[in-house]
Amino acid sequence: EAQVTQNPRYLITVTGKKLTVTCSQNMNHEYMSWYRQDPGLGLRQIYYSMNVEVTDKGDVPEGYKVSRKEKRNFPLILESPSPNQTSLYFCASSSLRADSYNEQFFGPGTRLTVL
Amino acid sequence: DAKTTQPPSMDCAEGRAANLPCNHSTISGNEYVYWYRQIHSQGPQYIIHGLKNNETNEMASLIITEDRKSSTLILPHATLRDTAVYYCIVRPLDNQGGKLIFGQGTELSVKP
Repeated sequence: EAQVTQNPRYLITVTGKKLTVTCSQNMNHEYMSWYRQDPGLGLRQIYYSMNVEVTDKGDVPEGYKVSRKEKRNFPLILESPSPNQTSLYFCASSSLRADSYNEQFFGPGTRLTVL
Repeated sequence: DAKTTQPPSMDCAEGRAANLPCNHSTISGNEYVYWYRQIHSQGPQYIIHGLKNNETNEMASLIITEDRKSSTLILPHATLRDTAVYYCIVRPLDNQGGKLIFGQGTELSVKP
C-alpha cells in the first residue's frame, strides 16, 4: 500500500531533550516536506527536500533540522525542543515526474507536546 | 500563490450532494485548482484538481467557471464519513514540488 508513515504518533517530552520524528514513504517520491499545524494558523511548511541531499527552509524552520540521506526517509530533528514547538506535525511527499499530478500524500501526523 | 476564499462552514444532509464553493479571483493562467480535505486531525488527503475543464474522479467532481475565478467541489452523495475540513488551493503544476498554502478551509458537517 502506498503510504507515508511517521513515528512516533504521539510524544510528550521536556524542554531541551533532543528528539527525532521519523518520516518514510514507499512511493519513490522525490519531494518530501514537513508541516506543522496549530489552531488558527493552519498548516505551515517547516522544511522541504527536492531530492536526496537537497533540503531547504520553509516558512517556519527555526528550531528544526532535517536530513535527506535516503530517498525514502526525511527525519525531523528538534535539537532542543521548547514549549512553542508543541504542535501537530505532518510529513508529506509527492512525485516531481512530468506526468504526475503533484498531489501531496500526507502521513498520519505526530502530536508533540513539549513541557 | 493566489489567495482563495471559502465559507467557514457548511451543513449537508446525508445522501445529498455537497457543493463547496471557492473563490480564486486572482488565479494566474498557469495555476491549477486543487482540493484537499482533512478529517479530524488526520493528514490532509488529496481529492481532485483541475485547470479549466470540469473534472471528475471516484471521490468528487470539480466545476471551474469559464473565467476561472471560482470553482465548486461536488460530493455527489455525501456520507457521514465526508465530514471534514475542505481546502481549496491554487498553485502551478510545475513539478517543482512546492508548499501547499492551506487557508482556513470549509468545515463540512454531514448530518443524518
